[in-house]
Amino acid sequence: KAGVTQTPRYLIKTRGQQVTLSCSPISGHRSVSWYQQTPGQGLQFLFEYFSETQRNKGNFPGRFSGRQFSNSRSEMNVSTLELGDSALYLCASSLGENQPQHFGDGTRLSIL
Amino acid sequence: GENVEQHPSTLSVQEGDSAVIKCTYSDSASNYFPWYKQELGKGPQLIIDIRSNVGEKKDQRIAVTLNKTAKHFSLHITETQPEDSAVYFCAASRGYGGSQGNLIFGKGTKLSVKP
Repeated sequence: KAGVTQTPRYLIKTRGQQVTLSCSPISGHRSVSWYQQTPGQGLQFLFEYFSETQRNKGNFPGRFSGRQFSNSRSEMNVSTLELGDSALYLCASSLGENQPQHFGDGTRLSIL
Repeated sequence: GENVEQHPSTLSVQEGDSAVIKCTYSDSASNYFPWYKQELGKGPQLIIDIRSNVGEKKDQRIAVTLNKTAKHFSLHITETQPEDSAVYFCAASRGYGGSQGNLIFGKGTKLSVKP
């Protein structure tokens, strides 16, 4: 069974640009969450989608947004990139409430 | 806000010894507690989890204990091997209404197992 797939693995952008990251969950999983990982702040929750609806949102500015498609694939978008957005962005999928969340290997985003 | 404290931040053991990592959580409504192992260049890998209605769970060399009263849970690795070397994260969440709940993570423990 294929795991969570995130694309691309690496991205380099400059300040002010925008970026879209993609996540394909494990087959059958309808819940997708996004996390940001940095050395200083650790792993922080961005948002969760279930059946195309945002169920939960973390404390990030509105520049961070996401969506989920009918096949459960998800994208997150970051607009007006700032240097502090440099991080590993992780996607996790699960079957739903209190079910184990399985992570992909992330997208490493570097802002120059 | 909700918080998970994890100790120690680094842990070095000899191969064959046991390793213990401890976490405390602040949200008394938390009901799900997973542990993840993250190797360099990889995403976190779920290694064991426990729910609030269970006090202890074991899977081969790995065990987790939960004390709801103290809001404390621990990871125990016995007979450590060099391949256990990685960063370990504890997390807590409270799923509700179909939502899986957001995981609140500890800051991580870098475990080094010396051969």
